[in-house]
Amino acid sequence: KAGVTQTPRYLIKTRGQQVTLSCSPISGHRSVSWYQQTPGQGLQFLFEYFSETQRNKGNFPGRFSGRQFSNSRSEMNVSTLELGDSALYLCASNREGNTGELFFGEGSRLTVL
Amino acid sequence: QKEVEQDPGPLSVPEGAIVSLNCTYSNSAFQYFMWYRQYSRKGPELLMYTYSSGNKEDGRFTAQVDKSSKYISLFIRDSQPSDSATYLCAMMGSGGTSYGKLTFGQGTILTVHP
Repeated sequence: KAGVTQTPRYLIKTRGQQVTLSCSPISGHRSVSWYQQTPGQGLQFLFEYFSETQRNKGNFPGRFSGRQFSNSRSEMNVSTLELGDSALYLCASNREGNTGELFFGEGSRLTVL
Repeated sequence: QKEVEQDPGPLSVPEGAIVSLNCTYSNSAFQYFMWYRQYSRKGPELLMYTYSSGNKEDGRFTAQVDKSSKYISLFIRDSQPSDSATYLCAMMGSGGTSYGKLTFGQGTILTVHP
């Protein structure tokens, strides 16, 4: 069974640009969550999608957004990039999203210059 | 004060040692308790999953949850060099605003040396 797939794995952007990250969940999983991981703040919850609807949102500015498609694949977008957005962005999937049994991808490492 | 506190270590032990990792938390709404292992430059991998209080054993790993003390533990027996990784505790409430939202500890860096 294929795991969670995230693309791209690495990317470099400059301040002010925007970025889109993609996530394909495990087959049959309808919930997709996104997390930001930094050395200082650790893993922080961004948002969760289920059946194309955002059900939950963390404490991040509106520059961070996401969406989910009918096939459960998800994208997240960060606009007007700041240096502090440099992080590992992790996607996780779960069958229904109502338990803590999340399965993570390997992440997309974003560097903002 | 953070909702979940975890000693970041680092922790260095000889091969074969018993390792004890711990987290405390303050949010009594947490119902699901997990331990994740993260190797360098990889995503977290679910290691142990427990609902509510109690113990759970899986091979060399034992997870304990004490909700009355708001304290969870992970024990690794007969530790191996391949266990060297960052161990993250994580917790989640139930329903509503908890969907997909895990609250993580800072992670403990563990090194098992031969």
